[in-house]
Amino acid sequence: DAGVTQSPTHLIKTRGQQVTLRCSPISGHKSVSWYQQVLGQGPQFIFQYYEKEERGRGNFPDRFSARQFPNYSSELNVNALLLGDSALYLCASSLDRQIYNSPLHFGNGTRLTVT
Amino acid sequence: QQQVKQSPQSLIVQKGGISIINCAYENTAFDYFPWYQQFPGKGPALLIAIRPDVSEKKEGRFTISFNKSAKQFSLHIMDSQPGDSATYFCAASRFGNSGYALNFGKGTSLLVTP
Repeated sequence: DAGVTQSPTHLIKTRGQQVTLRCSPISGHKSVSWYQQVLGQGPQFIFQYYEKEERGRGNFPDRFSARQFPNYSSELNVNALLLGDSALYLCASSLDRQIYNSPLHFGNGTRLTVT
Repeated sequence: QQQVKQSPQSLIVQKGGISIINCAYENTAFDYFPWYQQFPGKGPALLIAIRPDVSEKKEGRFTISFNKSAKQFSLHIMDSQPGDSATYFCAASRFGNSGYALNFGKGTSLLVTP
């Protein structure tokens, strides 16, 4: 079975630009979460979506937004990019909202560099 | 603020030795504690997880020890192998009405020498 797939794998943007990152969950998984991992740090929670609705939001500015489509794939959008947005953006999927029996499976991420 | 504190930042262990990584948390509402392993260029992969109703969980060479009163938990890797060289993250989560979010530690870079 294919794991969580993310695209693109690498991206270079300029300050002030906008970026869209894409994620396809494992087949059958209905929940998608987004995390930001700055170099040398642990991942930080951005959003969780389940059944196309936002179920959780981390401490990120409104420049960050996301959505989930009927096929459960997801997009993360970041507007007005700042240098500090440079990071590895990880998408994770799970069967449902309940983490105990449906742990998170992470993709390999999109490496975003803002210059 | 960092909700989960992890130590050490880096660790060097000889092949066959025991690797021990420690984590501490403050929020007593946390009720799920996983450990993730991450290799360079890859996303984190779940190793093992525990809930606070047990004090220890073992899967193969990996063991989680959990001390609820001290709000601490640790990962023990027995018979460490060079292939275990990776970054390890502890995390904690609380399931709420708005779903869940994993709160990660800052990671421990483990090097197992031959």
